[in-house]
Amino acid sequence: DSGVTQTPKHLITATGQRVTLRCSPRSGDLSVYWYQQSLDQGLQFLIQYYNGEERAKGNILERFSAQQFPDLHSELNLSSLELGDSALYFCASSVVGGSLQETQYFGPGTRLLVL
Amino acid sequence: DQQVKQNSPSLSVQEGRISILNCDYTNSMFDYFLWYKKYPAEGPTFLISISSIKDKNEDGRFTVFLNKSAKHLSLHIVPSQPGDSAVYFCAFPYGNKLVFGAGTILRVKS
Repeated sequence: DSGVTQTPKHLITATGQRVTLRCSPRSGDLSVYWYQQSLDQGLQFLIQYYNGEERAKGNILERFSAQQFPDLHSELNLSSLELGDSALYFCASSVVGGSLQETQYFGPGTRLLVL
Repeated sequence: DQQVKQNSPSLSVQEGRISILNCDYTNSMFDYFLWYKKYPAEGPTFLISISSIKDKNEDGRFTVFLNKSAKHLSLHIVPSQPGDSAVYFCAFPYGNKLVFGAGTILRVKS
């Protein structure tokens, strides 16, 4: 158990819909990261938040957005969903973020299926 | 943007033997190198790391080798155990993110 929790575990929805994925980081961690793992792809970095503020952006679509709240939990919002958005979405956390040697701890992921 | 390649999608090894997982990278800016392990229905778990100033790092049954001139990273597991069956990702911190390979599925047969 990494200490990072994600809800829901599974989500099935239809094209055009909007969903929210939730992540609670490990106790004491200030940075939260979101990654997407599509079929046949490695994990792709989407976005990082540090203490409530966006710190780094990766391959995140404009239809996707995220935020980190004062209690440090984070939400990833996916809208106008397409079939290709079906993937595993992982949240990770680390103490500060930005240090090469700082370990990122991953949650169990949310499996999203868009029909 | 294929900065990281794990050319073997899968590997099957007999229990007790050595497992060797390989990873090639193209970005010479990578300075720190990681291996993560992932079981089904779980998130990736950090396994072992190596800094660019070293060419080898050992942790129990796991050893990571780095050949910087060849831009090649490998993970050796000796002896392999059935519980090692998982997906193994090489990963590289780059800015504030991790860049992952596509993963290699390791099956250790008993």
